[in-house]
Amino acid sequence: EPEVTQTPSHQVTQMGQEVILRCVPISNHLYFYWYRQILGQKVEFLVSFYNNEISEKSEIFDDQFSVERPDGSNFTLKIRSTKLEDSAMYFCASRTRSNQPQHFGDGTRLSIL
Amino acid sequence: RKEVEQDPGPFNVPEGATVAFNCTYSNSASQSFFWYRQDCRKEPKLLMSVYSSGNEDGRFTAQLNRASQYISLLIRDSKLSDSATYLCVVTSSGGYQKVTFGIGTKLQVIP
Repeated sequence: EPEVTQTPSHQVTQMGQEVILRCVPISNHLYFYWYRQILGQKVEFLVSFYNNEISEKSEIFDDQFSVERPDGSNFTLKIRSTKLEDSAMYFCASRTRSNQPQHFGDGTRLSIL
Repeated sequence: RKEVEQDPGPFNVPEGATVAFNCTYSNSASQSFFWYRQDCRKEPKLLMSVYSSGNEDGRFTAQLNRASQYISLLIRDSKLSDSATYLCVVTSSGGYQKVTFGIGTKLQVIP
């Protein structure tokens, strides 16, 4: 069964450094998402991406965050200047079309020191 | 009122028991509904979509009540492997579909 894949599985970064999280969505999917989950808290929506542009973003997704789909397969989340509170699991998800469920990657654990 | 509300639990039930979770949502225009399962420190995995007519998948039954704006998940004959957090997910109408997760209900099945 096709999967969403994410790399790296764990990223440790110094506060203030830039970090790029990578995702390869399922190949025929059209809608892409990033979520984060702080330990012990709920899954929080960050951003959705469709047709090579951001379709929706949450309040969390401020100027420090950006997303890109640099080629036909990768979907990246960049955090420009990381803060301690950015420490969380970051999940990428994708889906085919409206009303279909999202499929999640197994996440990147981001630890900011 | 929270957009998607769930009782965080934990629900501790013996093996073989039947357990039910509810989830309420605030946006009456919500369009699609799902139950996901999340194991500790793992990604959410789709358990089942929820349809207006109700649907069943083995030991799992999901119901949607649009008038009262809640969805439910019933698990029959609980197994130890059912221990997890069950996430209620609601999507809004429209092409891009804002997706909102509930905090999840933790289930612990006890031998």
